[in-house]
Amino acid sequence: EAQVTQNPRYLITVTGKKLTVTCSQNMNHEYMSWYRQDPGLGLRQIYYSMNVEVTDKGDVPEGYKVSRKEKRNFPLILESPSPNQTSLYFCASSRSLDRVVYGYTFGSGTRLTVV
Amino acid sequence: QKEVEQDPGPLSVPEGAIVSLNCTYSNSAFQYFMWYRQYSRKGPELLMYTYSSGNKEDGRFTAQVDKSSKYISLFIRDSQPSDSATYLCALTAGNKLTFGGGTRVLVKP
Repeated sequence: EAQVTQNPRYLITVTGKKLTVTCSQNMNHEYMSWYRQDPGLGLRQIYYSMNVEVTDKGDVPEGYKVSRKEKRNFPLILESPSPNQTSLYFCASSRSLDRVVYGYTFGSGTRLTVV
Repeated sequence: QKEVEQDPGPLSVPEGAIVSLNCTYSNSAFQYFMWYRQYSRKGPELLMYTYSSGNKEDGRFTAQVDKSSKYISLFIRDSQPSDSATYLCALTAGNKLTFGGGTRVLVKP
């Protein structure tokens, strides 16, 4: 089954404790992205990657890091989490044609709480 | 002003009615137009995408794009309680995907 797999689904952590949310896709998509979703603010892009070793900032990159060492994996790293990073996070991957992205597939989400 | 505007709702309709959803946008560079459905605590699910003005039909769903007016719509015919969800429009310009804020839809039995 074609899918994007995120782990963990739920995470409660303390301020300042480094954490990684993993994301893996099995569709051979070149494009991968991380979003956060907050009430009243909708889905906002954190980082995206057009291909292996190619990453770029989205709209809200502060406090986050990513890496793309393999095509299928795109982990999200919070080096020093803060309470304002409490949110619902989604990883997504997409087909692209001539560098135009379409057809996003989303993971099931990671609900992160930072206390 | 947001690049993509979408009424947050909620939109409440009786079962069997037509659900009409829409988004307006300001950037003429948008190339692909998509609609996603999101159930509570789940990831968004792609329903339909199109890249040209006009209508595209898929089962009970019809997506409509009017590039001249910068207006896109989604119609759901014969709505069912299982259609109750948040519907998000999403527009692509190159590698940038921009979402509307979503419209919450409630279909009452």
